[in-house]
Amino acid sequence: KNEVEQSPQNLTAQEGEFITINCSYSVGISALHWLQQHPGGGIVSLFMLSSGKKKHGRLIATINIQEKHSSLHITASHPRDSAVYICAATPYNTDKLIFGTGTRLQVFP
Amino acid sequence: KAGVTQTPRYLIKTRGQQVTLSCSPISGHRSVSWYQQTPGQGLQFLFEYFSETQRNKGNFPGRFSGRQFSNSRSEMNVSTLELGDSALYLCASSRQQSWDEQFFGPGTRLTVL
Repeated sequence: KNEVEQSPQNLTAQEGEFITINCSYSVGISALHWLQQHPGGGIVSLFMLSSGKKKHGRLIATINIQEKHSSLHITASHPRDSAVYICAATPYNTDKLIFGTGTRLQVFP
Repeated sequence: KAGVTQTPRYLIKTRGQQVTLSCSPISGHRSVSWYQQTPGQGLQFLFEYFSETQRNKGNFPGRFSGRQFSNSRSEMNVSTLELGDSALYLCASSRQQSWDEQFFGPGTRLTVL
């Protein structure tokens, strides 16, 4: 079993829909990252959080430390949100990232 | 401020050869991490350097090595290349710790024939 699990693996949505991607982890962590990867490979860091909730525009990330669970929400989805979303965790006392397998999101007009 | 740069962007090698990839972090960033991405295994951590010292290493064979220079630029080397080493190699920089916000480079796509 992977230490970081994501669901769903694939997600299809119509433009305007509210989207949720889930991430569960089994180890104690210093931080949880949400990353976005577009075709071609470039990765952008969306959020880094260790507690609570963060919001950037239409993107919201939450984390529940007790339940070892994080969610990424996209409100009013748009075709340009189509990408692979990856969560990654930094275990305590390490400086490395453990990655989930990613969620491939396609938003259609 | 310039982003993370990686060179070369594409590389084709044959089995048994060795390869060196380069990463220049964002100015002022002292931590550089390297990752391998393949369709089968996804993203995997290779190693992380801070102030010229390797602080963490992932589960990769000794053929994979790296170093960091005093200007924080980093290189990774893969010796005796195998077909399975074909992958996208990404580096990322952060200010102090790898759990600070990470800024990724565009990657080097290595193909081993």
